[in-house]
Amino acid sequence: GAVVSQHPSWVICKSGTSVKIECRSLDFQATTMFWYRQFPKQSLMLMATSNEGSKATYEQGVEKDKFLINHASLTLSTLTVTSAHPEDSSFYICSARDGGGVGTDTQYFGPGTRLTVL
Amino acid sequence: SQQGEEDPQALSIQEGENATMNCSYKTSINNLQWYRQNSGRGLVHLILIRSNEREKHSGRLRVTLDTSKKSSSLLITASRAADTASYFCATAHGNNRLAFGKGNQVVVIP
Repeated sequence: GAVVSQHPSWVICKSGTSVKIECRSLDFQATTMFWYRQFPKQSLMLMATSNEGSKATYEQGVEKDKFLINHASLTLSTLTVTSAHPEDSSFYICSARDGGGVGTDTQYFGPGTRLTVL
Repeated sequence: SQQGEEDPQALSIQEGENATMNCSYKTSINNLQWYRQNSGRGLVHLILIRSNEREKHSGRLRVTLDTSKKSSSLLITASRAADTASYFCATAHGNNRLAFGKGNQVVVIP
C-alpha cells in the first residue's frame, strides 16, 4: 500500500518549452501533496505544498508563475515547469500524505522525474 | 531553510558492521523521520519518531531522539551491501511540511 507514482520518469526538452510532471497516489487519497527538487548530491528542497481543490502554497523564493501546480483530485497533482531553461534541470520528487489512514504523519514519495533542459 | 543536519556526511563500512548517523535540528518539531534514497531514485520512508518518543526500532534500524539536544541518530546494525544509499533525516513542522537535512552517503563494502 501507499504507492506514489510519477510520470514521466525522465524528460529532455528544449529551452523555452513547458513540461508537465504528474504525481499520483495509487492506493490512497492524498489531500496534500508536496513537490521537491533535488540537485545532484544535494538534499531535497521543498518547492510547494499542493492541497486538493485549492491553490498551492509556495516556499519562499519559488516562482509560482514558473512552477504551476494543480491538484485537481485526491489522487493527482501536476507540476508544470513553464518556459523551461537549463537551470531548471533537476530531479523533481513529489510526495503525498495519506489524508485519513494509519500513520497520517508519513509522507510517501514518488520515484522522481529527471528533467533535463537543453 | 533546511532544519536537519546530518553528521558525518560520508561513511564507508564493511558488510556486517554497524553504521551510525546523526542529525541535529534547530526548532521544535512534531516528529522526525528518516529516509533512504538509492542513487537517482525516490525516497523510501524508514522510520518516524514522535517528539514524545526517545527510541524506536524497526528491524535492523534503531532511531533515538533527544529533544533537549535537538538531535537524532540512526543506527543500522549488521549492515549489508544493499544498505548502500543516501540517508536523510527530515523534521516535520506545521502544515506537515518536511525540512530535509543534507544527507549521509553510506557505502557498505561486501
